[in-house]
Amino acid sequence: DTAVSQTPKYLVTQMGNDKSIKCEQNLGHDTMYWYKQDSKKFLKIMFSYNNKELIINETVPNRFSPKSPDKAHLNLHINSLELGDSAVYFCASSRGTVYGYTFGSGTRLTVV
Amino acid sequence: EDKVVQSPLSLVVHEGDTVTLNCSYEVTNFRSLLWYKQEKKAPTFLFMLTSSGIEKKSGRLSSILDKKELFSILNITATQTGDSAVYLCAVEELRNTPLVFGKGTRLSVIA
Repeated sequence: DTAVSQTPKYLVTQMGNDKSIKCEQNLGHDTMYWYKQDSKKFLKIMFSYNNKELIINETVPNRFSPKSPDKAHLNLHINSLELGDSAVYFCASSRGTVYGYTFGSGTRLTVV
Repeated sequence: EDKVVQSPLSLVVHEGDTVTLNCSYEVTNFRSLLWYKQEKKAPTFLFMLTSSGIEKKSGRLSSILDKKELFSILNITATQTGDSAVYLCAVEELRNTPLVFGKGTRLSVIA
């Protein structure tokens, strides 16, 4: 069983489109995250969310919005996609950081 | 300004060599430092360090934290080609704030 699963694994889309990436964790963790990893492997936090609080990195454009229907899911919706949005997006979850984060396998987004 | 700085950015060694990867940080309310290994897909957790001077060890990998000098090192002895990966350092500040990652060290181990 995959602990943190993301879909799709690959996404190729045109500029201006709206797309969503889904994330589900079956670990019973209370906090979930979205990170963006650029071509140089730099992981940058976009959002963190638990059932009480959404923390948004202020540098993230408001075209990006997290949606959490329940504790086990944190989806990422992106409006009006731009070329610079091309990256690998990782979902992660944690129960505190005692055991670190568990990452999903990533979604490679390519905007053409 | 980068809060977490890793060095070197890349490193090529031969099998059997010992390597030391560095991570320095500058945060106001340090809580913990974590090391991850990333091969082709998701980062995988290696160590979490919270106290100075206590070495964490797992097989050929070990890590230690110096909270006074604000850095950590990750050592890999008797490197193997399977150690080739990007090694990521991350710092947690206040409780429940997201991890802040460094830009990673790309290690290549050649036979």
